[in-house]
Amino acid sequence: QTVVTQEPSFSVSPGGTVTLTCGLSSGSVSPSFYPSWYQQTPGQAPRTLIYTTNTRSSGVPDRFSGSILGNKAALTITGAQADDESDYYCVLYMGGGISVFGGGTKLTVL
Amino acid sequence: QVQLQQSGPGLVKPSETLSLTCTVSGDSIGTYYWSWIRQPPGKGLEWLGYIYYTGSTNYNPSLKSRVTISVNTSKNQFSLKLSSVTAADTAVYYCARRHGGVYYFDYWGQGTLVTVSS
Repeated sequence: QTVVTQEPSFSVSPGGTVTLTCGLSSGSVSPSFYPSWYQQTPGQAPRTLIYTTNTRSSGVPDRFSGSILGNKAALTITGAQADDESDYYCVLYMGGGISVFGGGTKLTVL
Repeated sequence: QVQLQQSGPGLVKPSETLSLTCTVSGDSIGTYYWSWIRQPPGKGLEWLGYIYYTGSTNYNPSLKSRVTISVNTSKNQFSLKLSSVTAADTAVYYCARRHGGVYYFDYWGQGTLVTVSS
């Protein structure tokens, strides 16, 4: 079974830029996987940030952006703020109705 | 505004069946796809499956033999049943709306912690 891979953890300085990635254990991510990204803080339900690779969900600040970088989907946060410290999950559509979550990245802003 | 309200017991005994319901308001359940997702304590998210209002379903292959998702269009609700639970099924369970054509989750329930314990 294909595994969706994410960095377990990342850190960024306030005001800095960070790029989180979402890959496959076998193969490359393309727009046909409809990558989406979610932010989750402790005790809360996930919040949708990005869908179809690079479309921001309603109300999401434009410092969040999505793209394909090389063979992975990517979430870039530009001008990181303290309240961006969260867990970030990507989801890939595998076809046949199946969605798979990545393991998540814990982002620290310090 | 679309809201998903979850209900169901927070404690289930081992080998029994976990049952949760998600009530949708602000939208007809006769559109989109309706999913269940879970998150064990301290771990990541796992997609369990979805249902369309017609009753068509699709499940995570790793849980397919134990998961059943059903829909009640008259009540604008959909439900999850997970059979033969063990401690490994202890998790926060979320219901969510998924777009059919672009495959992302846009509205989420509040989450329900279900503990499997005798």
